[in-house]
Amino acid sequence: GQQVMQIPQYQHVQEGEDFTTYCNSSTTLSNIQWYKQRPGGHPVFLIQLVKSGEVKKQKRLTFQFGEAKKNSSLHITATQTTDVGTYFCAGQGSARQLTFGSGTQLTVLP
Amino acid sequence: SAVISQKPSRDICQRGTSLTIQCQVDSQVTMMFWYRQQPGQSLTLIATANQGSEATYESGFVIDKFPISRPNLTFSTLTVSNMSPEDSSIYLCSVDSGSIHFGPGTRLTVT
Repeated sequence: GQQVMQIPQYQHVQEGEDFTTYCNSSTTLSNIQWYKQRPGGHPVFLIQLVKSGEVKKQKRLTFQFGEAKKNSSLHITATQTTDVGTYFCAGQGSARQLTFGSGTQLTVLP
Repeated sequence: SAVISQKPSRDICQRGTSLTIQCQVDSQVTMMFWYRQQPGQSLTLIATANQGSEATYESGFVIDKFPISRPNLTFSTLTVSNMSPEDSSIYLCSVDSGSIHFGPGTRLTVT
């Protein structure tokens, strides 16, 4: 079945440093989605990427979808303490269900 | 975007008992999903709840353990049956209304 790997599992950064998390799927995806889960909260949808090579930006967040539609990355520029949480990628294949990556837990040190 | 509520928000249950979790959406949606998130882990899809037909379960999950109802397009229930401590998790319902939205989750502890 479809598997989605995500690295790193944990990342500690100083406030102001950049952060990147990477996802890799075992199969070609129809789209990839990114979610943020704050401690004690539920996953909140951030963005969906559909096109090969697509790049989308949300303020300090940059999302990329690979040319082969099997990998993706989320990059945060100049992290802030409000960026703390776990970031999940989730791949959607030919079926509609999502396969979640293992998540990257981001800690931002003030 | 869809607004989703879940009841209960949390519960502590004894081994061997069952708990039914309710998921209510503020709009009609075709596809509803139930996920489990074990402590410190990612989300695992349990099943897709289909209105008017039986749920579709993922590998490793069976109807006898996790019976699901979907009586209409705005409501679903998930029952965790004959619970054991390994069932301690957060259970989340989710809908696809163009984009995916999650409910707040039900935090279950089995003692």
